[in-house]
Amino acid sequence: QKEVEQNSGPLSVPEGAIASLNCTYSDRGSQSFFWYRQYSGKSPELIMFIYSNGDKEDGRFTAQLNKASQYVSLLIRDSQPSDSATYLCAVSGGYNKLIFGAGTRLAVHP
Amino acid sequence: GAVVSQHPSRVICKSGTSVKIECRSLDFQATTMFWYRQFPKKSLMLMATSNEGSKATYEQGVEKDKFLINHASLTLSTLTVTSAHPEDSSFYICSARGTSGRVNYEQYFGPGTRLTVT
Repeated sequence: QKEVEQNSGPLSVPEGAIASLNCTYSDRGSQSFFWYRQYSGKSPELIMFIYSNGDKEDGRFTAQLNKASQYVSLLIRDSQPSDSATYLCAVSGGYNKLIFGAGTRLAVHP
Repeated sequence: GAVVSQHPSRVICKSGTSVKIECRSLDFQATTMFWYRQFPKKSLMLMATSNEGSKATYEQGVEKDKFLINHASLTLSTLTVTSAHPEDSSFYICSARGTSGRVNYEQYFGPGTRLTVT
């Protein structure tokens, strides 16, 4: 059973701080890794994807991948209240599918 | 780019009727589309995967005769919930995956359809 694990949170950070979201996965063969943001009552929105070990930066977001440790993380710099949402980690699971974690709820307080 | 639309956004129907939900990729060709459902405060549950021109592949436990999926073109997939019952009430979300331009195997989600069966 391929699994993706995330801490459900809530992760509470003050405005302007760095939010660090973590995810581990069980399938060593996974090649593609994604972070989605989901606001309450809305559908998921793709914010980052990463395929290679190391860091990938896009604006305030940095995705980090360590395949040896089967670990992927998302850093959000200068967190804003508008970043408050549930963040879903997804990992390629074969047959074009994605395996989603249960999500981490982030709360950014002023 | 990478926009996926879904229609309708909300639908209320009576028990026993059928409801059709459309999912369209607006600016890319979707070789594969996926249908998910999500209950409140729960994660996404993949229902089925559809490739253009072929039959959908359903996940274990999903009734293919109840949830009819058609992927007739590279930009359109439909989900029909047949003989709907109150327990089918949920948030149904499609996603699309393609290989044109900027879209390279990532899944992009539609805005979702909230179905309420009375």
